[in-house]
Amino acid sequence: EDKVVQSPLSLVVHEGDTVTLNCSYEVTNFRSLLWYKQEKKAPTFLFMLTSSGIEKKSGRLSSILDKKELFSILNITATQTGDSAVYLCAVERRAGNNRKLIWGLGTSLAVNP
Amino acid sequence: GAGVSQTPSNKVTEKGKYVELRCDPISGHTALYWYRQSLGQGPEFLIYFQGTGAADDSGLPNDRFFAVRPEGSVSTLKIQRTERGDSAVYLCASSPGGYVDTQYFGPGTRLTVL
Repeated sequence: EDKVVQSPLSLVVHEGDTVTLNCSYEVTNFRSLLWYKQEKKAPTFLFMLTSSGIEKKSGRLSSILDKKELFSILNITATQTGDSAVYLCAVERRAGNNRKLIWGLGTSLAVNP
Repeated sequence: GAGVSQTPSNKVTEKGKYVELRCDPISGHTALYWYRQSLGQGPEFLIYFQGTGAADDSGLPNDRFFAVRPEGSVSTLKIQRTERGDSAVYLCASSPGGYVDTQYFGPGTRLTVL
């Protein structure tokens, strides 16, 4: 059965700390892994990863995928209170014309001043 | 059919026109999602229905975009006064339950606004 597991489920840090969020998966016909940030409402797309070992960066956020060990990490450096959110990982699988997006449960990050 | 279906598969329209995109979810799935995907990007969330009601429509980019699901099954995404920036693949997905459930995607509608 396909599954996406995120850890930790929740995390509390202080401003300025660096955090690493984990996403491991067991998904057949893997196509891509996606990271989203969800605050109060709709999740905001962060990264799409398809190839191993290639880091994607956006400001203080970066992410990398390991397709051999079946996981991805999302790093946030110099955290700010505005980074407080739920970070969602999703894995896309494709089989022929069928396509599914399997979501993890998310990591709830709280950044305290 | 067993999967999510979307029609049309391709739509070419002129700037300023109105378009409707249709999604038929998997039978019995209560949750339905609309996403928009540009080349090289992940799906960008637009709106999420639980039954007939929009549980979360905060991803709709502006008031030109509107979606309905009047009977809790088929959904229509409506775009008024289309702009070139609306060109993308519009994806529909459905799931048996809530948001973190596995979502099953349709093949998408490729919208091109000239």
